[in-house]
Amino acid sequence: GNSVTQMEGPVTLSEEAFLTINCTYTATGYPSLFWYVQYPGEGLQLLLKATKADDKGSNKGFEATYRKETTSFHLEKGSVQVSDSAVYFCALSEGTYKYIFGTGTRLKVLA
Amino acid sequence: EAGVTQSPTHLIKTRGQQVTLRCSPISGHTSVYWYQQALGLGLQFLLWYDEGEERNRGNFPPRFSGRQFPNYSSELNVNALELEDSALYLCASSLESGTNTGELFFGEGSRLTVL
Repeated sequence: GNSVTQMEGPVTLSEEAFLTINCTYTATGYPSLFWYVQYPGEGLQLLLKATKADDKGSNKGFEATYRKETTSFHLEKGSVQVSDSAVYFCALSEGTYKYIFGTGTRLKVLA
Repeated sequence: EAGVTQSPTHLIKTRGQQVTLRCSPISGHTSVYWYQQALGLGLQFLLWYDEGEERNRGNFPPRFSGRQFPNYSSELNVNALELEDSALYLCASSLESGTNTGELFFGEGSRLTVL
């Protein structure tokens, strides 16, 4: 069945460092791909999405490109801030396999 | 506009008991999703309801069940509680039930502790 695999955390970075959180997926067709973020004490919210191959989703300085050939959707940010500390979830949605999430990656940014 | 609301926010039960969790989606949203967020396990898909019908369920035993009402609110029922059912139960709603591109809007969850 469909699944999402994320890199294990926690990831600890200094402010202004470059961030990459890896995400790969397994799907039978052409899923939509998402990154959701859960800030401390808050509910999950959509960060960005891409709905077809080679699309790039972007928001708040974060980017992710839908790579069909490597079945990946890695999250990147050029310069992280303390306020980016959160748990990041990669997800896919295809057919009746609605919104399958990865296990989440905790990011901690130090000042 | 009100977001997704869940109740209760916290509850404590003992093994073998039953629990009902409630979710009200955003007005106009017809799809409701339930997830279990146990420590270290990410979000595990439980159930998807749309237009009052169960459309899909995750790999959970039958003691996890639910329903969706005509006003699109939803209940999640868990019977014969076990210790490993302790988790945060999240409800989400979506406007776009017929596509795979829509955004999920999450509530803040119901935290269940089973003793």
